[in-house]
Amino acid sequence: DGGITQSPKYLFRKEGQNVTLSCEQNLNHDAMYWYRQDPGQGLRLIYYSQIVNDFQKGDIAEGYSVSREKKESFPLTVTSAQKNPTAFYLCASSKQGYNEQFFGPGTRLTVL
Amino acid sequence: GQQVMQIPQYQHVQEGEDFTTYCNSSTTLSNIQWYKQRPGGHPVFLIQLVKSGEVKKQKRLTFQFGEAKKNSSLHITATQTTDVGTYFCAVLGGSARQLTFGSGTQLTVLP
Repeated sequence: DGGITQSPKYLFRKEGQNVTLSCEQNLNHDAMYWYRQDPGQGLRLIYYSQIVNDFQKGDIAEGYSVSREKKESFPLTVTSAQKNPTAFYLCASSKQGYNEQFFGPGTRLTVL
Repeated sequence: GQQVMQIPQYQHVQEGEDFTTYCNSSTTLSNIQWYKQRPGGHPVFLIQLVKSGEVKKQKRLTFQFGEAKKNSSLHITATQTTDVGTYFCAVLGGSARQLTFGSGTQLTVLP
């Protein structure tokens, strides 16, 4: 059963702590993306990666970091430098040459 | 990236009524995609439009791309409670083909 998994679904952290969100896909997609969604707003691109060991900053990369050591995995770290980290984080992937993006179920991060 | 404005932000309709959301840009778009996000869920791809004046239908949903490729619309005929959710337009662009999303239209269908 192919798809994108994100874990955990809900995450609580104290202010000042780094936290890493997991994103795994078994669709054999080359490109992977991280988006942030705030209530009542659209999705904003944080980071994206087209191939393993390569990634680029999106529109709101400050305070975030990523790695792409494996094709299947694209973890996102929310660092203490991110001023307002509480949000819904969505991971997506797409196949090379195709435009449709497939989204994971998302992780709701709350920083207390 | 390319910016798209989406209206209205919210829409409440009685079940059986029609619904339309609009996406507008000040620049010519190469393509436009539409996604649906159910409450508490994640966006799901609906369709992509690339041709000027293109019209595509999916059952009760009709998607249009303007002649000038600066606007697009999604129209739902005879809404049902299963249509509830937020509808986003998104534009694919940039060297890495990243999506820029509109702010979405949240549809509520009253039974």
